[in-house]
Amino acid sequence: GAVVSQHPSWVICKSGTSVKIECRSLDFQATTMFWYRQFPKQSLMLMATSNEGSKATYEQGVEKDKFLINHASLTLSTLTVTSAHPEDSSFYICSAPRGGDYNEQFFGPGTRLTVL
Amino acid sequence: GQNIDQPTEMTATEGAIVQINCTYQTSGFNGLFWYQQHAGEAPTFLSYNVLDGLEEKGRFSSFLSRSKGYSYLLLKELQMKDSASYLCAPLDSNYQLIWGAGTKLIIKP
Repeated sequence: GAVVSQHPSWVICKSGTSVKIECRSLDFQATTMFWYRQFPKQSLMLMATSNEGSKATYEQGVEKDKFLINHASLTLSTLTVTSAHPEDSSFYICSAPRGGDYNEQFFGPGTRLTVL
Repeated sequence: GQNIDQPTEMTATEGAIVQINCTYQTSGFNGLFWYQQHAGEAPTFLSYNVLDGLEEKGRFSSFLSRSKGYSYLLLKELQMKDSASYLCAPLDSNYQLIWGAGTKLIIKP
């Protein structure tokens, strides 16, 4: 089956630093990728839709200057949390639909970010 | 507005059968997913329904009634490893997944 990878799996950083998370589709091309955030015991919250070759679409309330998204190729999207603060500590998950069928969405394993 | 309603938590016995219900309201509809999520891990795909009826896949089956805005996930021959959260996620008219908080399923020996 299709595989989506994320790197790193977990990261601990100091407040004020920036953290980059990569999401890769390993055996298919993804023109669209989704970035989610999940706090403990809460549902997944869509942060933004990453589009290859164009600007990302951010959900209401998500600061685009703080969460920078770059979809540079058909297999790679990156999320950079700039000037991270403790309240940004969360589980970040990407997903990618394969082809034009949104009924095949594959999730990456997630990245746990802890900001000290 | 868009809304997902699932029980917060359910308990079942190993080897038994459990049905997790989900009702939803969305702006448009392009199918409904069920995902399994173990604590600390990303969701994994279980099923996708876009037409009314029952889809069976091994120990797991999923049912959809579009007119009622209703779906259920049926798990048979429960195993301890099935202890997880189960997320019902319809796809709206913009092809965005709408997430609820999920149902935490606890399996007891």
